[in-house]
Amino acid sequence: GESVGLHLPTLSVQEGDNSIINCAYSNSASDYFIWYKQESGKGPQFIIDIRSNMDKRQGQRVTVLLNKTVKHLSLQIAATQPGDSAVYFCAESGSSNTGKLIFGQGTTLQVKP
Amino acid sequence: GAVVSQHPSWVICKSGTSVKIECRSLDFQATTMFWYRQFPKQSLMLMATSNEGSKATYEQGVEKDKFLINHASLTLSTLTVTSAHPEDSSFYICSARDATPRPNQETQYFGPGTRLLVL
Repeated sequence: GESVGLHLPTLSVQEGDNSIINCAYSNSASDYFIWYKQESGKGPQFIIDIRSNMDKRQGQRVTVLLNKTVKHLSLQIAATQPGDSAVYFCAESGSSNTGKLIFGQGTTLQVKP
Repeated sequence: GAVVSQHPSWVICKSGTSVKIECRSLDFQATTMFWYRQFPKQSLMLMATSNEGSKATYEQGVEKDKFLINHASLTLSTLTVTSAHPEDSSFYICSARDATPRPNQETQYFGPGTRLLVL
């Protein structure tokens, strides 16, 4: 079946360093991908998205890379700050345009001061 | 930005009782809302798709008679956990899909979640 997964459950970085969070997806027909940040006890917060007709998109301090050949998605956070500490999920939306999102397992990002 | 609210934010109930959770889109209309469940240290699992004016579509393995969904207006969907049991204790999160999204804006917005504890 469809699945979206992450390679590492926990990532620990030093404040100021860059963070890279990875995600693998299995549905080659998916055409829309989103990264969410979730802090403890809260709902997911949109970070950045990318459509399948692109391979890179940049936001403020964040960049998402999409490699459709190997079905891989990554989130890069520049100059990681303590406020970036949270769980990060990638989500995949299939080509059926239903809006349904399939979430990956999540990576916990810990930022050390 | 678009805001989705949930009420209550947390609830404790006795086993066997029913609990209703509301999901509201505050500043936009949502023809489609989604309900997710999240257990501790796990990902979000889609339970059902709530469509305004029609029956909800449930994901495989989700009991529709236990998790009743009503989407009576373009800004409100409710999830009722009937005859709740301790194993239903979880974090329930809704999201709402903007019926008229602006260009280059995200189209789906998440609520803050409702923590349910069944004793």
